[in-house]
Amino acid sequence: QVQLQQSGPGLVKPSQTLSLTCAISGDSVSSNSAAWNWIRQSPSRGLEWLGRTYYRSKWYNDYAISVKSRITINPDTSKNQFSLQLNSVTPEDTAVYYCASGTAAAGIGYWGQGTLVTVSS
Amino acid sequence: QSALTQPASVSGSPGQSITISCTGTSSDVGAYNYVSWYQQHPGKAPKLMMYDVSNRPSGVSNRFSGSKSGNTASLTISGLQAEDEADYYCISYTSSGTLVFGTGTKVTVL
Repeated sequence: QVQLQQSGPGLVKPSQTLSLTCAISGDSVSSNSAAWNWIRQSPSRGLEWLGRTYYRSKWYNDYAISVKSRITINPDTSKNQFSLQLNSVTPEDTAVYYCASGTAAAGIGYWGQGTLVTVSS
Repeated sequence: QSALTQPASVSGSPGQSITISCTGTSSDVGAYNYVSWYQQHPGKAPKLMMYDVSNRPSGVSNRFSGSKSGNTASLTISGLQAEDEADYYCISYTSSGTLVFGTGTKVTVL
């Protein structure tokens, strides 16, 4: 059973960087069959897939076009976790952010608890 | 990448069947059988209900079924129950190697 535990600040100032971490138990961030996603949800935008990192003999990242210029998702093999960094945030980035485990083929079966991040001065 | 199109709301009486559609393009839904469906109750994280168009994860009721025709995928709930009242989202793999969610559908049990 995979469990994902999110951590990070709930308030970020405009133009600054949003940073969240997702600690994994029950699987490895270096698994050759898993993918590690960040997804957000807001009343105005619904559920929005932001990107993922995964290992298939080497590390890969895919990012949504809407945030591609501002996003970085990194694995941390020493701590078995992965992180999200979203630069130059605006109030439109206010949302509940989820980390989640899963692939396009198998579906996204495991989700973190969600973190409400508010962008405000 | 535009969000997949779902009806904003669908309703039905207990015991009835309802179908939620998820319409994309030939670059996402129409190109791959990598469509999955999620149920979300208020204040909770989404729950995987269907993957690869028509495969149910272990533990999901067989009242839920999935299908696809062309650029449109569908989730059918048979024998509607009060506990099925929730928001439902589809997601598809795209030709860009990304994932895209649907706009979401609120299911109401009358």
